Amino acid sequence: DIQMTQSPSSLSASVGDRVTITCRASQGIRNDLGWYQQKPGKAPKRLIYAASNLQSGVPSRFSGSGSGTEFTLTISSLQPEDFATYYCLQHNSYPLTFGGGTKVEIK
Amino acid sequence: QVQLVQSGAEVKKPGASVKVSCKASGYTFTSYGISWVRQAPGQGLEWMGWISAYNGNTNYAQKLQGRVTMTTDTSTSTAYMELRSLRSDDTAVYYCARGGKMGISDPWGQGTLVTVSS
Repeated sequence: DIQMTQSPSSLSASVGDRVTITCRASQGIRNDLGWYQQKPGKAPKRLIYAASNLQSGVPSRFSGSGSGTEFTLTISSLQPEDFATYYCLQHNSYPLTFGGGTKVEIK
Repeated sequence: QVQLVQSGAEVKKPGASVKVSCKASGYTFTSYGISWVRQAPGQGLEWMGWISAYNGNTNYAQKLQGRVTMTTDTSTSTAYMELRSLRSDDTAVYYCARGGKMGISDPWGQGTLVTVSS
């Protein structure tokens, strides 16, 4: 199974801050990675697909990069509505695996 | 628009079974697979398995093999996930979502809370 190591597990940031979240795969997964945002009591919502493609309707302050084993989600200027938990998901091979999540909290 | 609507919350005793449904609309059901993902209280997301709505092929997470069965009914565009021999650590919100090895896309189902308690 491919392990997805996500870091940090939590962070505190202020509105306007630049935030970076990383996922590392235990083996190469090309660009078969998505990033999801989840708010309390809600289903996850995909932000990025194929590692670096912005999902339609998602604000441009979100961006993704990486390929192979190292991936990054960046929020260029954190907004109040961005406080949530973020997950990466590799879909290169079964079983699909999620990162452990990053909770973004208000400083 | 694409929608996945799941069945309601369930309370089960240890050892029982639960079957959660996921009714799809707004797209050609047989063109996409369905993944099931669960989330225990306060925990992260766990992929449970995938079923092809085209031919019924499945791929299950190893830890659930033997306890989980995923099926589809193409006549009603509905996917089902049955989990047997329930334990307290199966208490979770269960989500269906469109996709699998090509990626899991939006929208997801609204989630179904399954509580296992004696």
